Amino acid sequence: ETGVTQTPRHLVMGMTNKKSLKCEQHLGHNAMYWYKQSAKKPLELMFVYNFKEQTENNSVPSRFSPECPNSSHLFLHLHTLQPEDSALYLCASSQDLWRGAVDTQYFGPGTRLTVL
Amino acid sequence: AQKVTQAQTEISVVEKEDVTLDCVYETRDTTYYLFWYKQPPSGELVFLIRRNSFDEQNEISGRYSWNFQKSTSSFNFTITASQVVDSAVYFCALIWGGSEKLVFGKGTKLTVNP
Repeated sequence: ETGVTQTPRHLVMGMTNKKSLKCEQHLGHNAMYWYKQSAKKPLELMFVYNFKEQTENNSVPSRFSPECPNSSHLFLHLHTLQPEDSALYLCASSQDLWRGAVDTQYFGPGTRLTVL
Repeated sequence: AQKVTQAQTEISVVEKEDVTLDCVYETRDTTYYLFWYKQPPSGELVFLIRRNSFDEQNEISGRYSWNFQKSTSSFNFTITASQVVDSAVYFCALIWGGSEKLVFGKGTKLTVNP
């Protein structure tokens, strides 16, 4: 595998289900991101991790719970979601984060989530 | 505040036509970075180019070219001799130095018809 991979690619869940999205990067990066892409809205940053530590939570509801066990893997745990949470969830990675430097973010193919 | 505006929601062209996608940005920071990404129907955001605020030199990569003008806060993207495979949604994005937040425009959907 190369680049950034995400599984599953498609997910349908009920509002009472619990599911998890998985992201894995094969680029040797240390920073990982979750983004949400809803129809007709700009991409929204949700969470940022740098060297496994969460550095950003962009006011995301607690029904979304991220986990970063190591620099290569990022999970998004989902529970009691709402239909409006249906969207494409994109994972990205970059080299790392430090003040004054900006590294290019590389994206995975996304998980298309539908909440019934 | 940081903002990226892509005024063109959808563009439709015929193959071999040239097409320019507009991007206008707003930032108060003197150090910032601009990006273009392509999102084909498969969903993955594909990185195309990155420019920093201190480098206004235009860039050409094959049929793609980018025109960065700080005077008008624009970073436009031109595809020369468009092809059907260029059909996608194209996003312009901005991040300022030291930030973690990549701010995206709403995207321009390009359809290239045979």
